[in-house]
Amino acid sequence: QVQLVQSGAEVKKPGASVKVSCKASGYTFTSDDINWMRQATGQGLEWMGWMNPNSGNSYSAQSFQGRVTMTRTTATNTAYLELSSLRSDDTAVYYCATGRRATTMYGPLNQYYFDQWGQGTLITVSS
Amino acid sequence: DILMTQSPSTLSASVGDRVTITCRASQNIDSWLAWYQQKPGKAPRLLIYEASHLESGVTSRFSGSGSGTEFTLTISSLRPDDLATYHCQQYKSYPWTFGQGTKVEIK
Repeated sequence: QVQLVQSGAEVKKPGASVKVSCKASGYTFTSDDINWMRQATGQGLEWMGWMNPNSGNSYSAQSFQGRVTMTRTTATNTAYLELSSLRSDDTAVYYCATGRRATTMYGPLNQYYFDQWGQGTLITVSS
Repeated sequence: DILMTQSPSTLSASVGDRVTITCRASQNIDSWLAWYQQKPGKAPRLLIYEASHLESGVTSRFSGSGSGTEFTLTISSLRPDDLATYHCQQYKSYPWTFGQGTKVEIK
């Protein structure tokens, strides 16, 4: 079965960077985009961006552009999210998820929802 | 960005009740809406996509409806295992956005 297993919780100081991993199994890693979301305590989910494991191309939401880097290592079926210049309001649980493409009778669209999720990684930013 | 607004924020219902959660989009998203269930301390789980399509393996007690700007998630007969927060997500246009969530409590 499809599994996404994320790295463990981390505590970081303001201004530092953090790198979260997401190891995929049970499917062909290069066939589905990996998306990243985060959720602050008691808040809704916030989509951060996607990375195509086949090409390495990525796209991040405007609010994260310049601070987020999404990469992968195909040899180990692992995707990575790196967030830099951390602030206290970056404290959240970070999730990876595979994106499933919307389809119509005319073919697939570049519109995605999320069908398989990692277990989440708590990142705490505190001085 | 498309703003997604869910109501209510919290609801309390009894086992066996019919429960309805509403999600409104700030602009037309056709039927490009997904619903997720998130149990305490767990990752979200996909329930419904394209507003009304039940994900494989999800009980038929869950159903979705709507199009345009107004959508509903219905639980036909609430069970204790349905204790969770439910999120809607639009995938009409970037950035994909979520509602703030609706917490379902069991009376």
